[in-house]
Amino acid sequence: DIQLTQSPSSLSASVGDRVTIICRASQNTITYLNWYQKKPGKAPELLIFGASNLQSGVPSRFSGGGSGTEFTLTISSLHPEDFATYYCQQTYLLPWTFGQGTKVEIK
Amino acid sequence: EVQLVESGGGLVQPGGSLRLSCAASGFIFNNHGMTWVRQAPGKGLEWVSYISSSDSTIYYADSVRGRFTISRDDAKKSLFLQMNSLRAEDTAVYYCARLRYSSSWRPFDSWGQGILVTVS
Repeated sequence: DIQLTQSPSSLSASVGDRVTIICRASQNTITYLNWYQKKPGKAPELLIFGASNLQSGVPSRFSGGGSGTEFTLTISSLHPEDFATYYCQQTYLLPWTFGQGTKVEIK
Repeated sequence: EVQLVESGGGLVQPGGSLRLSCAASGFIFNNHGMTWVRQAPGKGLEWVSYISSSDSTIYYADSVRGRFTISRDDAKKSLFLQMNSLRAEDTAVYYCARLRYSSSWRPFDSWGQGILVTVS
C-alpha cells in the first residue's frame, strides 16, 4: 500500500498567514494526488485534484503542487473559515489511501 | 444542486449486519463512479469501497473485503453498502461520495453528510 505522510500533523497560525502542508508518498504517485478539507461534523470537501488543479468553487488562495512523491498544499492567506483538518489522498494505486491529516488551528 | 444523503446507520452488535443507502440527486447518477469512505471516532479518513459507473468494476479495502458488498441501482439513483460480520473497529461515520466525471485522477468531488455506524 502507498503510505502518505503529512507534515506537520498540526499547526497554529493566524488569520492572514501563509500556510504550507507537505504530503510525502512512500511510492511514486505521479500526480494522482488530491487534497480535501474536513471540518468537525461536516462532509469533506475537495480542494485540489491531480496535484495542482483547483476544484470549481474553491477560493484561489488554495493551491497545490508537486509530483512523484512530494506534494504541497498552500493557503496563501488564511481566512477564519480555513481552520480545519486537511487530508491528502492518492488514487494512483489500490487501495486508495489518505494521509493522517493536518489540523490547522487558530494561534 | 448535487445532493447525497446517507441512511441506514445505527447501533448493531458485533457479528451483525447493516445496509447503508445513499440517495443521489441533482446530477446524472449513472455517469459517475461512486465510493464509500469512513472516519472512525478521532481518526482520519479511510477509503472503503468503489463501484464504477457501469457497475463493471468494484474495489474494496482489505479491511472490509469479504464482509462488505457495494452495489448501485441506477434507476433509483442509489448507492448501497451491505455490511456483514461487523466488528467494533467498523464503528465510524460512513460517507458516500461521487467521483468527478471523466477525471483520470479520480477525485471525490461531492460527499454526503455521513451516517454513524456503531458496533457494540
